[in-house]
Amino acid sequence: KAGVTQTPRYLIKTRGQQVTLSCSPISGHRSVSWYQQTPGQGLQFLFEYFSETQRNKGNFPGRFSGRQFSNSRSEMNVSTLELGDSALYLCATKAGNSYNEQFFGPGTRLTVL
Amino acid sequence: AQTVTQSQPEMSVQEAETVTLSCTYDTSESDYYLFWYKQPPSRQMILVIRQEAYKQQNATENRFSVNFQKAAKSFSLKISDSQLGDAAMYFCAYAEEYGNKLVFGAGTILRVKS
Repeated sequence: KAGVTQTPRYLIKTRGQQVTLSCSPISGHRSVSWYQQTPGQGLQFLFEYFSETQRNKGNFPGRFSGRQFSNSRSEMNVSTLELGDSALYLCATKAGNSYNEQFFGPGTRLTVL
Repeated sequence: AQTVTQSQPEMSVQEAETVTLSCTYDTSESDYYLFWYKQPPSRQMILVIRQEAYKQQNATENRFSVNFQKAAKSFSLKISDSQLGDAAMYFCAYAEEYGNKLVFGAGTILRVKS
């Protein structure tokens, strides 16, 4: 069974640009969550999508947005990039609506110059 | 808001010895989940062990066990017979609602000496 896939793995952008990151869940997983990991703030929850609907949202500005497609793949978008957006972005997927283990992807390393 | 605190930024253990990583959390909920995740230098986050708050029995997974003290809001991880492959960053995490929306602690770097 293939694991969680995140693309691209590395990305370099400049301030003011926008970026789109992709997460492909394990087959059958309908929940996709996104986390930002930085040395200063640690791991912070961004949002969760389930069956194409945003179900939970963390405390991030509106520049951070996401969506989920009918095949459960998810994208997150960051507009008007700031230096502080440099981080490892992790997605985690799980099977259903009850408790199931979340499986994390390898992450996308975003560097904003 | 729920918070998770890991007071040990870094720990070291000799191979084959036992080490305990500490975690405390704050919540007003009675039903929740607690987790320990491991993040090796390769960065892939892996679930080590989980505990449901309604269960009084401490969870155990092979060499990994927890000491869950609900009243004290404490959730420590004990690693027995430490191995070189245990070296990683360990995160304590909390969640409600079926384990979604994880709240993480700052992490503890575990170094294993041979």
